[in-house]
Amino acid sequence: AQSVTQPDIHITVSEGASLELRCNYSYGATPYLFWYVQSPGQGLQLLLKYFSGDTLVQGIKGFEAEFKRSQSSFNLRKPSVHWSDAAEYFCAVGANYGQNFVFGPGTRLSVLP
Amino acid sequence: DTGVSQNPRHKITKRGQNVTFRCDPISEHNRLYWYRQTLGQGPEFLTYFQNEAQLEKSRLLSDRFSAERPKGSFSTLEIQRTEQGDSAMYLCASSSMGNRTQYFGPGTRLLVL
Repeated sequence: AQSVTQPDIHITVSEGASLELRCNYSYGATPYLFWYVQSPGQGLQLLLKYFSGDTLVQGIKGFEAEFKRSQSSFNLRKPSVHWSDAAEYFCAVGANYGQNFVFGPGTRLSVLP
Repeated sequence: DTGVSQNPRHKITKRGQNVTFRCDPISEHNRLYWYRQTLGQGPEFLTYFQNEAQLEKSRLLSDRFSAERPKGSFSTLEIQRTEQGDSAMYLCASSSMGNRTQYFGPGTRLLVL
């Protein structure tokens, strides 16, 4: 069965600092991997996705993520955080044949001025 | 493309009452998903439709829950005899055939008193 872990429940960074959010997945085959962002009381917005090919993927709002098969990881990065990036970030894995996503528990990002 | 819409956005009900939520997917998306998200957690899969056929149901979907997508367009999720444990955000997502990316609506927040 698929599973996703996000080891950091809450991260605080200063505005302008770099950011890395960790995601580890468990799945027997090649996964489809996603990062979503959720502002309080809102739905989920897709940041980026990995299906195949180049293991470094670019997303919206200056985010990128790198797929590392050997580490079963798909970490999200941003070189310079903005105050508007404060939100909850979810990593998700989709199976090749199943249709449902499995989400991690999320990482809450706070940004200091 | 108007995105996924959900109504109502908020619902407060008393324990034992029935509630129904509606989801309108992105037009021409033939796949529709329901998830439940409790406070501080990632979304959990409930059920999935391809056109009007309900193809997968989670064990989380108890007998009190029923979902329909009668004409392969909008979907409804009904909870009968609500319990306080049903309080959560109910999220709907849609995707097109051959594209694994799911696009989420703003959610319906349910509070059972």
